[in-house]
Amino acid sequence: GNSVTQMEGPVTLSEEAFLTINCTYTATGYPSLFWYVQYPGEGLQLLLKATKADDKGSNKGFEATYRKETTSFHLEKGSVQVSDSAVYFCALPSAGGTSYGKLTFGQGTILTVHP
Amino acid sequence: DTAVSQTPKYLVTQMGNDKSIKCEQNLGHDTMYWYKQDSKKFLKIMFSYNNKELIINETVPNRFSPKSPDKAHLNLHINSLELGDSAVYFCASSRVSGRYEQYFGPGTRLTVT
Repeated sequence: GNSVTQMEGPVTLSEEAFLTINCTYTATGYPSLFWYVQYPGEGLQLLLKATKADDKGSNKGFEATYRKETTSFHLEKGSVQVSDSAVYFCALPSAGGTSYGKLTFGQGTILTVHP
Repeated sequence: DTAVSQTPKYLVTQMGNDKSIKCEQNLGHDTMYWYKQDSKKFLKIMFSYNNKELIINETVPNRFSPKSPDKAHLNLHINSLELGDSAVYFCASSRVSGRYEQYFGPGTRLTVT
């Protein structure tokens, strides 16, 4: 089935530093890819997505490009803020193309940004 | 307006007890899910319902029983609670024919003592 491997954390950065969180996937075909974010004490929320190869998803200064050549969907932000401290999850639909929306999540990367 | 809501937010109970967690979504979605998140933030799907029909049941002990009275509600009942059941449980929903974007509730932190 489809799977995703996410950069292990935790990641600790100073404010305004550049962020990269690596995500690689194994999949049948070209499924949509997602990044979810979980702020402290909250549920997950969709941060960005890309639905086909070479698409770039972006939101709140974060970007990720769907690269089929390297089977990657790395998350980047040019200048992080303290408020970006959260857990980040890479995700893709599970195998079989089911229309029921089952997602496979990476193990999550904890990001802490210091002032 | 809360899209996906869960009650209670915190649940502390003793081993052997039975407890329920409730979930409601007002997004008009057809599919709802239960996830378990452990202390290391690893997220694992437990169940999924589509239009009140169970479609995903992921190797979960049968002490866990989901129930969907209608497509806007998905409850989780847990019998004979064990220490290892301590976790955060998330409810989520999505459109069946959508692009798999899921909307999550705020979570229920279950602590079994």
